[in-house]
Amino acid sequence: SQQGEEDPQALSIQEGENATMNCSYKTSINNLQWYRQNSGRGLVHLILIRSNEREKHSGRLRVTLDTSKKSSSLLITASRAADTASYFCALPPSGTYKYIFGTGTRLKVLA
Amino acid sequence: DAGVIQSPRHEVTEMGQEVTLRCKPISGHNSLFWYRQTMMRGLELLIYFNNNVPIDDSGMPEDRFSAKMPNASFSTLKIQPSEPRDSAVYFCASSFAGTEKLFFGSGTQLSVL
Repeated sequence: SQQGEEDPQALSIQEGENATMNCSYKTSINNLQWYRQNSGRGLVHLILIRSNEREKHSGRLRVTLDTSKKSSSLLITASRAADTASYFCALPPSGTYKYIFGTGTRLKVLA
Repeated sequence: DAGVIQSPRHEVTEMGQEVTLRCKPISGHNSLFWYRQTMMRGLELLIYFNNNVPIDDSGMPEDRFSAKMPNASFSTLKIQPSEPRDSAVYFCASSFAGTEKLFFGSGTQLSVL
């Protein structure tokens, strides 16, 4: 399958803690992206990491990519209640724009 | 920019009826994607267009589903006849090739009774 698989499926943490979620995949990729989905809303792009990058930061977000292990992780530092959402990785196989989304991680941040 | 606009926001229909979902992509974007989201199957890519041309429709579940993009600013997803198992949230997304970033609409919640 070209689909990314996130784990854990669900994560519950206290406000202020860090949240880490992972994405594993099977195909070769040009880039990998992370999206957030709030309940009842469309997905919102968070960050893109290219296959030749190992780490990328955006505010409280840190993404790593290990192409040898075909895996990526998303770290949210100092989490807030507003970070409560589902998080998805998306990967277009090389040479296409056919974005396939993973199964998602449901994050709940408790105030 | 208003973002990707989908209509209707909610649709309730009876089995056997025709359903048409509409999408207006962000102006200037040349790729458009239709996704379906359910608890059981997650986010499924149904079809995507590039420069108004369908590139890959392998995700369209069956012949009851059809999608068109008559111009760069409008796309439709039609289900005829609809069935209860089609109940889901349908999302449209657009992007500008080269930016590799998808912008999603708010979705259409479809309930087929």
